[in-house]
Amino acid sequence: SQQGEEDPQALSIQEGENATMNCSYKTSINNLQWYRQNSGRGLVHLILIRSNEREKHSGRLRVTLDTSKKSSSLLITASRAADTASYFCATDAPSNTGKLIFGQGTTLQVKP
Amino acid sequence: DAGITQSPRHKVTETGTPVTLRCHQTENHRYMYWYRQDPGHGLRLIHYSYGVKDTDKGEVSDGYSVSRSKTEDFLLTLESATSSQTSVYFCAITWDREETQYFGPGTRLLVL
Repeated sequence: SQQGEEDPQALSIQEGENATMNCSYKTSINNLQWYRQNSGRGLVHLILIRSNEREKHSGRLRVTLDTSKKSSSLLITASRAADTASYFCATDAPSNTGKLIFGQGTTLQVKP
Repeated sequence: DAGITQSPRHKVTETGTPVTLRCHQTENHRYMYWYRQDPGHGLRLIHYSYGVKDTDKGEVSDGYSVSRSKTEDFLLTLESATSSQTSVYFCAITWDREETQYFGPGTRLLVL
């Protein structure tokens, strides 16, 4: 069962522009995480936001969480070609076992 | 990669043969996870472990078994590989079930 659903599935922008990706989920969560995956590589953790937090920043990344709408967004500001990757949101399962449920991801292409 | 390795990194095998993938960590983390990644499905949890000899099933556990006899090693076994198990397999670790998961580099498995 898919918990997180990302939107859009694919995004293409020019270097320097901002990129926004959205994630929706279905059930209550303890936290939501965003990961990046470069082609052919493993996943790299970007940000974890807990259910009692509304916004979090890390460098050029800004994540928001709206638990009333069961949605989150990831904003990458001043994008670079090196940001080209797939981005996944993941929510912890309600059973609190540490299991993560991933969305299908957003593929971001940043053109130089 | 947070002291986490996977072996082999690539494997080609034939239908009906047994296959074992190994995840090794040097972080002494309690929790370990096996995921598979397929196009259109994102990452899906196969099995996870919350301690030595303590394991449980994930979303797509049929056809897979796991073992964890030492903190540092988590083995995933395909008893009789099928073509539907062709996938990229990722191992992940975390010290706490409510915290970030760190992923290994992945194993590409092709079942002919």
